[in-house]
Amino acid sequence: KNQVEQSPQSLIILEGKNCTLQCNYTVSPFSNLRWYKQDTGRGPVSLTIMTFSENTKSNGRYTATLDADTKQSSLHITASQLSDSASYICVVSRSNDYKLSFGAGTTVTVRA
Amino acid sequence: DTGVSQDPRHKITKRGQNVTFRCDPISEHNRLYWYRQTLGQGPEFLTYFQNEAQLEKSRLLSDRFSAERPKGSFSTLEIQRTEQGDSAMYLCASSQGAGLAGGSTDTQYFGPGTRLTVL
Repeated sequence: KNQVEQSPQSLIILEGKNCTLQCNYTVSPFSNLRWYKQDTGRGPVSLTIMTFSENTKSNGRYTATLDADTKQSSLHITASQLSDSASYICVVSRSNDYKLSFGAGTTVTVRA
Repeated sequence: DTGVSQDPRHKITKRGQNVTFRCDPISEHNRLYWYRQTLGQGPEFLTYFQNEAQLEKSRLLSDRFSAERPKGSFSTLEIQRTEQGDSAMYLCASSQGAGLAGGSTDTQYFGPGTRLTVL
């Protein structure tokens, strides 16, 4: 069973609207959580990183939250643009391991 | 361009053939990772180098797979006797980290990937 679960699997939104992506994890011991954006046919690009003590981090129109107690994170996209169409991957790191645990991603499609 | 580069971007081969991919990391990065990604899934860890030392290989990396990083700079991933199940995107990432301990907050920078199709 994957230790990082993301929902929804995919979503379609209209340009200018907001959306929120969810990530639940069971990875332990926890070190940090990242959100990556992956355009089709490209490698993932880091958007945000949060450690145990951080509960929110923003990068432009992207805002990530972290609840380390419930092991949940969200990524909120504000005022979506066509260029936001991509897969968004939640990635969790253990404190005793350099390997990353990846979610399957949420595919976001923004339509005009 | 000072990012991670990979070559080729696309490779189509017949089953049974050997293929080799190259990754050039960001020049000052000491850590290099190979991942495999299939459609609709997140990347899966294959192997990790710190400088020229290959420190870990995933169980996904069968004996048909071999990776090298001879001078601690670029890396190659070779797949021998390719099978249709090897069809995937092969991603390389690099980072700058200190020591061998895990849980580092160093960000992994990914290359564009090599898409392999085995016919």
